[in-house]
Formats: sequence, C-alpha cells, structure tokens
Amino acid sequence: EAQLVESGGGLVQPGGSLRLSCTASGFTFSNYAMNWVRQAPGKGLEWVSVISVDGGNTHHADSVKGRFTISRDNSKSMLYLQMNSLRAEDTAIYYCTKAIHGAYPRSRVIDYWGQGTLVTVSS
Amino acid sequence: NFMLTQPHSVSESPGKTVTISCTRSSGSIANNYVQWYQQRPGSSPTTVIFEDNQRPSGVPDRFSGSVDSSSNSASLTISGLKTEDEADYFCQSYDATTVVFGGGTKLTVL
Repeated sequence: EAQLVESGGGLVQPGGSLRLSCTASGFTFSNYAMNWVRQAPGKGLEWVSVISVDGGNTHHADSVKGRFTISRDNSKSMLYLQMNSLRAEDTAIYYCTKAIHGAYPRSRVIDYWGQGTLVTVSS
Repeated sequence: NFMLTQPHSVSESPGKTVTISCTRSSGSIANNYVQWYQQRPGSSPTTVIFEDNQRPSGVPDRFSGSVDSSSNSASLTISGLKTEDEADYFCQSYDATTVVFGGGTKLTVL
C-alpha cells in the first residue's frame, strides 16, 4: 500500500521561504502524477499544485502561482514544494497526495493522502 | 474557473440513508470525473469514491456515488449509517489546468 510522509513544515515569517518534502513508498513513484493539497485551520481543502510523472508538466493554483514550485526526484521517490514569498494566508496543513494514474485526466484523481505537515506563517 | 457547492451540514440517524449533493457552477458535471473524500476529526482525508462511482478497495458498499446531468450535480449516498461515518465529506473535480474542491459537508450521525 502506498505511504506518503511529508516533512519540512514549521514557523516562518511573512516573506520567507520553506521547502516541503514528501517521501513516497509502497508503489512505483515514477508511474504516477502527484498533487499538493492544503487545508487552513478549521477550513476546507484547497488544491495547490500537480506534477506529471516526469516533472515536465506542472500546474499551480492561482493563489500560489509565481510563488510556489512543485518538483520531483523519481530516483529518490521524493516530491517537493518550494514555497517563496510566504503570506499569512498560506498557513495550513499541506498534504502530499498520489494520483491514480500518470496522465490527465486521472492525474487529478487522488487515491492516497499523507498525514500532512503544518506550515505557519507569522511574525 | 468553476465552483462546487455542497450543503454545509447534514444529519441523520444510525441505520438510515443520507445523500450529500455537489453542484457544479459552470461546465458540465459529466465532462470531468467527481471524487469524494472523507475526513474524520483530527485525521487526513481518505478517498471513498473516485471517477463518479468507483469505490477503492476497503471502502464498504454502503458508500455510492452518482452524477446527474439534469441538475449538473454529483451525489454521495451512504446507507446503513454508522456512528463511524460521522465526518466531513468533500467533493472534487477538475479541468485541464486546475482542481476544485467543494466547501465540505459535515455529516452528523445521531
């Protein structure tokens, strides 16, 4: 069964940067698209980013476009989210998620979720 | 971009059946698959329905999904309600460049 473990969250000042990592296991990582999804405290789910199997195709939500970058290292089964110019409204639990397939549209269908890592943006 | 609208909350008694709706604001609901995710308090979400009406292994057949083009909405139906079904439920769909979640529905089983 797929396992996803996020790391890298923490407290950061507004305008700062943070890089989240996700360690994947239990499946052939290079065969599946991956997404980041976040959840602000007490709020609903918000999609952040998606990346194709080879990392060559990415999409980001308008709320993070130009500030966040999703990437992956298939040789290490790792997913990343580089977050720059952080704002208070980026405070959330960030979930690493696995898609059910590598290609659109099934790259937008999630079957496994990690436990999440908390990012707090505050001075 | 489109939106997905869910009722804020629903409640029902154990053993009964409940249906949660998810209405798409623009574009046809039938053009892109709809998924449903369950989130119990303090836990990560889990997938209970994918591709409109498919259940992942391990999800009981009390959970079912459907799509209605006439109302441009999707539905999650849970039959034989158990107290363990009490959770937040989120619908989700997408287009070529974005993924959209509904606002979530809190299911209370009392």
